[in-house]
Amino acid sequence: DAGVTQSPTHLIKTRGQQVTLRCSPKSGHDTVSWYQQALGQGPQFIFQYYEEEERQRGNFPDRFSGHQFPNYSSELNVNALLLGDSALYLCASSFASGDTDTQYFGPGTRLTVL
Amino acid sequence: GENVEQHPSTLSVQEGDSAVIKCTYSDSASNYFPWYKQELGKRPQLIIDIRSNVGEKKDQRIAVTLNKTAKHFSLHITETQPEDSAVYFCAASKGGSYIPTFGRGTSLIVHP
Repeated sequence: DAGVTQSPTHLIKTRGQQVTLRCSPKSGHDTVSWYQQALGQGPQFIFQYYEEEERQRGNFPDRFSGHQFPNYSSELNVNALLLGDSALYLCASSFASGDTDTQYFGPGTRLTVL
Repeated sequence: GENVEQHPSTLSVQEGDSAVIKCTYSDSASNYFPWYKQELGKRPQLIIDIRSNVGEKKDQRIAVTLNKTAKHFSLHITETQPEDSAVYFCAASKGGSYIPTFGRGTSLIVHP
């Protein structure tokens, strides 16, 4: 049973560039959430996708956008990168129709903005 | 929105001692409280969770307690081992959409 996977593992970009991060959910899961984790902080919720729609959004600017595909995989796009966007980006998946709210995290993508 | 406070930020114990991490939440509608363990450079992993209809839950050396009236919940680790060293995060959310709010984390250091 495959867990949550993310790519790439690491990424280095310069200010103003754009980046796309990818996530494949755990087998059987249909909901994908994205988080930003700055060094020494807890994960901060960016947004959640279900049925290819953004269902919930945290307090992040429109530079952060996403997409969910019919196979439930998801992408996170960040435009006009700022130094402050440097962080670990985590994807988590869950099953919306189940009786559990349990989320499972992927290994993350470490983004460094220079 | 929900606000989760977590204490202490750092906890240092000797192997075999117990460790307790405490969290408080602000939204009385929150009803799901997971705990995650994150080792350096790795993903957060769910170690235990509790729902608001339960006051305590145990899994081997780990237990979580919940006081809904006081809006706080705690993680208890007994007989700590060096491999328990990690950052532990608590979180709180309302059921259904599951948008958890995380605490800032506790760095647990278990000295051999």
